[in-house]
Amino acid sequence: GQNIDQPTEMTATEGAIVQINCTYQTSGFNGLFWYQQHAGEAPTFLSYNVLDGLEEKGRFSSFLSRSKGYSYLLLKELQMKDSASYLCAVRDRGYSTLTFGKGTMLLVSP
Amino acid sequence: DTEVTQTPKHLVMGMTNKKSLKCEQHMGHRAMYWYKQKAKKPPELMFVYSYEKLSINESVPSRFSPECPNSSLLNLHLHALQPEDSALYLCASSQGAEGINQPQHFGDGTRLSIL
Repeated sequence: GQNIDQPTEMTATEGAIVQINCTYQTSGFNGLFWYQQHAGEAPTFLSYNVLDGLEEKGRFSSFLSRSKGYSYLLLKELQMKDSASYLCAVRDRGYSTLTFGKGTMLLVSP
Repeated sequence: DTEVTQTPKHLVMGMTNKKSLKCEQHMGHRAMYWYKQKAKKPPELMFVYSYEKLSINESVPSRFSPECPNSSLLNLHLHALQPEDSALYLCASSQGAEGINQPQHFGDGTRLSIL
């Protein structure tokens, strides 16, 4: 079966750095994706990793270790608008289908 | 605003009604997806269309019937739904279904309520 774990909730302060972890155990692996979803809105693609290592995109970075089944999303210089749910998703089949974790609700306070 | 457009944004229907959800993208993507998302839960895959053909049906009840009229359009026909089918229905698309570096782009969804 598929198992993707993320913390349910996290809180952080504006301007700080936060790391959201994701561990996975899936029958296959063809990449790990991070999405941001504000309440009532569509998930927005943030970052993906296929190979081990760090991918940086502005204030967001994502890391992958395939041997450990582990990824994290790093958010720097937090802003209030970063308060949202962050979804870790694994592409576990040949098609671009995604299995999502339950999401981490991040609350950024002033 | 997203590049995947879904209509309507909200839909309320009775259990005996027939309605359709529509999704459109003009990014030249050849794979399109339907997801169902309940409150505070992650999206759950329902269907995958690749090059206008149904590739994956995740054991979805037959009261949900997908249709892909062309490469830009994806419909979800609804009939005799149950109250537990109330959810946010998300459409997504990606460049192709079998490549590896192809994120899915989501529409804003249709919030469906079954009375």
